[in-house]
Amino acid sequence: GAGVSQSPSNKVTEKGKDVELRCDPISGHTALYWYRQSLGQGLEFLIYFQGNSAPDKSGLPSDRFSAERTGGSVSTLTIQRTQQEDSAVYLCASSPAVGANVLTFGAGSRLTVL
Amino acid sequence: GENVEQHPSTLSVQEGDSAVIKCTYSDSASNYFPWYKQELGKGPQLIIDIRSNVGEKKDQRIAVTLNKTAKHFSLHITETQPEDSAVYFCAASPQRQLTFGSGTQLTVLP
Repeated sequence: GAGVSQSPSNKVTEKGKDVELRCDPISGHTALYWYRQSLGQGLEFLIYFQGNSAPDKSGLPSDRFSAERTGGSVSTLTIQRTQQEDSAVYLCASSPAVGANVLTFGAGSRLTVL
Repeated sequence: GENVEQHPSTLSVQEGDSAVIKCTYSDSASNYFPWYKQELGKGPQLIIDIRSNVGEKKDQRIAVTLNKTAKHFSLHITETQPEDSAVYFCAASPQRQLTFGSGTQLTVLP
């Protein structure tokens, strides 16, 4: 597609529920990144994919967070048993390749956990 | 890992004046330094970047300078306009992912 698409744009959920956030990167971009942006804060790195492989999962905050990417395209970030501290904007970005390349960000998915 | 510090956290300038945002980084292996602009409700967008083999880069009203010895880099916006109001993020990349600063809320007063 022309840009990075994320869905849903807004998600309100109750504490303890599971949520899935979707990212559709720019066609042909092999690298895909997930960042988290808490209110008024910077961007916290979560995970990146090179193709369908995630070499570095060290940024995931806890084992309640997981991510996958299939077909070298769409990625899903899953948060299980959501907590209030998970409330944030989750940003996805893609790049032609891993490394020092320009990231193109989506508009983000705003998650609110009540 | 890399640590990026950004100052100031907020900056207000009069329209037409210049704005400067500064960042420092910790990992001497970092070789790529982009700047992103984020408008309300949108994702960050790249506005300018610099690589470690260059000391300065300009693009119209925007310029970035890099001092590798001191491990700091700065964003300079001249002749500011109201549409420059946004949050600006610096970032550094030693390897495979970008580490971002905490952001600067720039407000250009008409």
